[in-house]
Amino acid sequence: QVPLQQWGAGLLKSSETLSLTCAVHRGSFRGYFWTWIRQSPGKGLEWIGEIDHSGTTNYNPSLKNRVTMSEDTSKNQFSLNLTSVTAADTAVYYCARKVSSIDDRNTWFDPWGQGTLVTVSS
Amino acid sequence: QSVLTQPPSVSAAPGQEVTISCSGSSSNIGNTYVSWYQQLPGTAPKLLIYETNQRPSGIPDRFSGSTSGTSATLGITGLQTGDEAHYYCGAWDSSLSGVVFGGGTKLTVL
Repeated sequence: QVPLQQWGAGLLKSSETLSLTCAVHRGSFRGYFWTWIRQSPGKGLEWIGEIDHSGTTNYNPSLKNRVTMSEDTSKNQFSLNLTSVTAADTAVYYCARKVSSIDDRNTWFDPWGQGTLVTVSS
Repeated sequence: QSVLTQPPSVSAAPGQEVTISCSGSSSNIGNTYVSWYQQLPGTAPKLLIYETNQRPSGIPDRFSGSTSGTSATLGITGLQTGDEAHYYCGAWDSSLSGVVFGGGTKLTVL
């Protein structure tokens, strides 16, 4: 099995809620922050936020009002909800494991999920 | 508009060397470590360099990373056609309290 496997609805209408889930198949769920990152068509990467096994979250301030992340430690899964989507939220969404130092100054992401294309139509 | 600035594209011939720059500020590259990711067409990004200059297991030593002040550089030697991909830099940003990325650089091996 791939280390991270993600799934969720790929086609939404404006104002609906985006919901994605990522399963951690390899390695420990505890001790890491689990992250969502998105990539808009033809553009770079954008960090959405993160959650750890205890439910502690950190969100990108630009999305904070619409983002909720949750975790299910019994299944080694974590999820992303993004409310009130618009065309601007059309992107490939990736889950990834964050590896970092205690102060986050040394941070990287490995591995990554396969990505889910989410298209928002009006 | 990405917080970290990368050139949109670079190109070089097979066997040659190329560098990709990533420019930031004192709230990110100037005060943290940098990571680099390789994204082959149609695939998810893959960790290439972490902790500014460390390579994960399986990444050849043709790939290297460095920083100077508020800029980072990815170097690739002995270019191969299989290196054609988009490359992204990333770093923790203390102002955002999150990770910021560059806009990506498309490498073409002519």
